[in-house]
Amino acid sequence: EPEVTQTPSHQVTQMGQEVILRCVPISNHLYFYWYRQILGQKVEFLVSFYNNEISEKSEIFDDQFSVERPDGSNFTLKIRSTKLEDSAMYFCASSDAGTGRNEQYFGPGTRLTVT
Amino acid sequence: LAKTTQPISMDSYEGQEVNITCSHNNIATNDYITWYQQFPSQGPRFIIQGYKTKVTNEVASLFIPADRKSSTLSLPRVSLSDTAVYYCLVGEGYSSASKIIFGSGTRLSIRP
Repeated sequence: EPEVTQTPSHQVTQMGQEVILRCVPISNHLYFYWYRQILGQKVEFLVSFYNNEISEKSEIFDDQFSVERPDGSNFTLKIRSTKLEDSAMYFCASSDAGTGRNEQYFGPGTRLTVT
Repeated sequence: LAKTTQPISMDSYEGQEVNITCSHNNIATNDYITWYQQFPSQGPRFIIQGYKTKVTNEVASLFIPADRKSSTLSLPRVSLSDTAVYYCLVGEGYSSASKIIFGSGTRLSIRP
């Protein structure tokens, strides 16, 4: 069964540093998403991406965040200057326009720890 | 997006049937009901989606009464591996680019 993959599984960084989280969505999917989950809290939507542009973003997705699809397979989330409160699990997801049921496939997540 | 209400937690035992009910009094005509499952330290996983009556797949059944103001996710003969958080979501199921707004979900604990 095809799956979404994410790298790295765990990233430790110092406050103020830039990080790039990588995702490889399912190959025939057209819609891509990033979510995050702070330990013990809800899964929160960050951004959706379609046709090489952002479709929607949440209030969390401020100027320090950016997304990119640099090639035909990768989808990245960049955090420019990390803060302690950015520590969370970051999940990438993708969906296929043809399923007709908004079934999003989530990756295993990247645990980001900002020290 | 319609607001949903579901129990914060539930406990059950291996081999039992577990029913998790979700209330969504303000569901709109175009809304579908979708359930996701999240194991510890993993991403959420789509379980089932329905509009009315009953839907069944290899994982679960979803029961939706005629007024659609609630729904029940039924897990037959649970095992320890069904311990997870279960999220009830209501929204336009056929909109492929829709963000998912997760609530707190129901934390299901299965005991031996």
